[in-house]
Amino acid sequence: AQKVTQAQTEISVVEKEDVTLDCVYETRDTTYYLFWYKQPPSGELVFLIRRNSFDEQNEISGRYSWNFQKSTSSFNFTITASQVVDSAVYFCALSENRDDKIIFGKGTRLHILP
Amino acid sequence: NAGVTQTPKFQVLKTGQSMTLQCAQDMNHEYMYWYRQDPGMGLRLIHYSVGAGITDQGEVPNGYNVSRSTTEDFPLRLLSAAPSQTSVYFCASTSRGANTEAFFGQGTRLTVV
Repeated sequence: AQKVTQAQTEISVVEKEDVTLDCVYETRDTTYYLFWYKQPPSGELVFLIRRNSFDEQNEISGRYSWNFQKSTSSFNFTITASQVVDSAVYFCALSENRDDKIIFGKGTRLHILP
Repeated sequence: NAGVTQTPKFQVLKTGQSMTLQCAQDMNHEYMYWYRQDPGMGLRLIHYSVGAGITDQGEVPNGYNVSRSTTEDFPLRLLSAAPSQTSVYFCASTSRGANTEAFFGQGTRLTVV
């Protein structure tokens, strides 16, 4: 069965520090999709990125970057030069090609301290 | 374009009462999902639907019913509310299945006393 593990429950860093959020997944499918979502204090869920299992190229979007490594079943998210506005809960999610479910990890609560 | 709309935003129920959480999307999305969010538990899938007339169970379906009579609407019913169902409920939809971006509603905060 598919599973997503976010071992870091809560992280606090000082503004302008870099921070990496870990995501480890389990799947028996060869085709699958990985996602990151952000939930700011206001409560809504915002899509950040989608990756399919055949595309291991790392992605950078401004201060955000994602490192996908199939060898370690990980899809880690790094925020460079963190800002207070990055404070949120971040969720990693997985869907398998042969299934219609989207399974989320438990989330990592990130505090950026001014 | 409203996206995914959930009503109500807040609700307090007494144990044993029933209610329906409403979810509607105006994006003509085929796939719709219901999640509950509890502290330390992340988002857990309750039920989902891949199209009108088709529903299936997720990770935590007990105590909840769903139906999908139209593409737009996906209501979640609590037949006999229990304190364990106190949670924040999110509805989501995707355009082309579980492998695409999910659009979420604003959530419904439900308290069962």
